[in-house]
Formats: sequence, C-alpha cells, structure tokens
Amino acid sequence: DIQMTQSPSSLSASVGDRVTITCQASQDISNYLNWYQQKPGKAPKLLIYDASILRTGVPSRFSGSGSGSTFTFTISSLQPEDFATYFCQQYDNGPPLSFGGGTNIQIK
Amino acid sequence: QLQLQESGPALVKPSETLSLTCSVSGGAINNRGYYWAWIRRPPGKGLEWIGSIYYSGTAYYKPSLKSPVTISVDASKNQLSLKVTSVTAADTAVYFCARGHNGALEEWGQGTQVTVS
Repeated sequence: DIQMTQSPSSLSASVGDRVTITCQASQDISNYLNWYQQKPGKAPKLLIYDASILRTGVPSRFSGSGSGSTFTFTISSLQPEDFATYFCQQYDNGPPLSFGGGTNIQIK
Repeated sequence: QLQLQESGPALVKPSETLSLTCSVSGGAINNRGYYWAWIRRPPGKGLEWIGSIYYSGTAYYKPSLKSPVTISVDASKNQLSLKVTSVTAADTAVYFCARGHNGALEEWGQGTQVTVS
C-alpha cells in the first residue's frame, strides 16, 4: 500500500494568514493526488484534484502543487470559513486509495 | 442534483455483522462513468478508505482491514451496500458513501455514526 504522510497534523493561524500543508507519498504517484476539506459533523468536500486543478466553485485562494511524491496545499489568505480539517488522498493506478492523516487548522 | 444518504444501525455488538445502505437519488448508480466507495472516520483519527465498486461489478478493498468486508450494488433500488463481518471496537466510526470519478471522491453522503459495543 502507498502511505501518505501529511504535515503538520495541526496548526493555529489567524484570518488573513497564508497556510501551507505538505503531503508526502511513499512512492512516486505522478499527479494522482486530491485534497479535501472536512468540517465537524459534515461530509468531506473535494477541493482540488490531480494535484493542482481547482474544482468548479472552489474559491481561488485554495491551490495545490507538486508531482511525484511531494505535494503542497496552500490557502493564500485564510478566511473564517476555512477553519477545518484538510486531507490529501492518492489514487495511483487506481485502488487501493489512501488518505493522509489530516491537518486540523484552528483559530489562533 | 446527486444526493447520497447512508442508513443502518447506530449500535452493533462485537462479533456481529454491520450492514449499511447508501441510497442514491438524482442519478443512476449504474452510470459507467463513475464508481462508488465506502470511507470511514474513526473517532480521533483520519479518513480510511474501505473499498470501491465499479460498473463492472468488480470490487476492491483495503488489504489491511481486520474485519472482512463486502461491497455491492443493487441497481434496481439505486443503492450501495456495505457489510462488515465480525466487527470489533476498531470498526466504530462515522461511515460515508461517496461517488468517485478518476480517483477523486466527488460527492459524499452526510455519514452515519456506527458504534460497536
């Protein structure tokens, strides 16, 4: 199985801050990497697919980059509604899929 | 607009079988362009992919799952199902069904809490 190591596991930030999360795959997964946002009591929401493509309707302050085994997710200017947990997910060559451990963004 | 709704027992005894259903509305479950998946989130932990099923009927499961799992589709009812046999406390989680496309889980149900005790 491909292991996904996500860091940090949590962070505190203020509205307006730039926030970056990293995901490291245990092997080369090309650009087969997605990012999700999950708020408490809610379903995860797909934000970015194929490492860098913003899903329709997702604000442009969210972005993703990377290929191979190292990926980053950035929120350029944190908004109040962005306080949530974020997960990366790989799908190299199909199943099995696997998720990173998650990053919980809290208000400083 | 596609909607997914999970249903099933909130409490299951250890060693018994957990059965969940995901009812799909606003789209056909037997659409060739998509696959269907179950994912869970145990308390205090991250998301865990359980398995996926494709239009062909082929299902794939997480290799390291401790409890045997079966995923199936009933196209006549537009429903997806999950069975986890011989459950333990480690199977306590919020369970989600989702529709996938090209590796991304695009649409999710709201989730259902299952406790093994």
